[in-house]
Amino acid sequence: GDSVTQMEGPVTLSEEAFLTINCTYTATGYPSLFWYVQYPGEGLQLLLKATKADDKGSNKGFEATYRKETTSFHLEKGSVQVSDSAVYFCALSAQGAQKLVFGQGTRLTINP
Amino acid sequence: DAGVIQSPRHEVTEMGQEVTLRCKPISGHNSLFWYRQTMMRGLELLIYFNNNVPIDDSGMPEDRFSAKMPNASFSTLKIQPSEPRDSAVYFCASSYRGGATYNEQFFGPGTRLTVL
Repeated sequence: GDSVTQMEGPVTLSEEAFLTINCTYTATGYPSLFWYVQYPGEGLQLLLKATKADDKGSNKGFEATYRKETTSFHLEKGSVQVSDSAVYFCALSAQGAQKLVFGQGTRLTINP
Repeated sequence: DAGVIQSPRHEVTEMGQEVTLRCKPISGHNSLFWYRQTMMRGLELLIYFNNNVPIDDSGMPEDRFSAKMPNASFSTLKIQPSEPRDSAVYFCASSYRGGATYNEQFFGPGTRLTVL
């Protein structure tokens, strides 16, 4: 079945550091890919998405590119802030499907 | 818009008791999803509805779990009887299912359930 694998956390960085959180997926066809963010005590929020190969999703300084050849959707940010501390989830929905399949989540902590 | 509303935010109960979690989706949305989040299993989809009809309940753990959506603005997830292993955060999410290939799911704040 479809699955998503994220790099294990927790990840701890200093403010203004470069961030990469790896995400790879297994799915047939052309799924849509997402990054969701969960701040402490809150529900998940959509951070960015890409619906076809080579698309780049971006939001709030975060970017991720849909790489069909490597089945990857890595999340990057050039300069992180303390306010980016949260849990980040990579997810996919199969082509034409509504269900989201989530990775296990990566906890990110940014120190000032 | 108030977003997806869940109640209660926290629930502590004893093993064997019935638990009912409630969700009000965003007005105008026609799809509703129930998820469970635990440290061990991560985020799992339990069931989802389209236009108040259950479409896929393959994630419901066992017969102790049931979900209903009597109208477009309300859904419940019931656990009877509850067990300690049901302790988790339960999220409700809603979306509008239309002609687009993808429709963003909006999550509620979750209900943290503790079964003693």
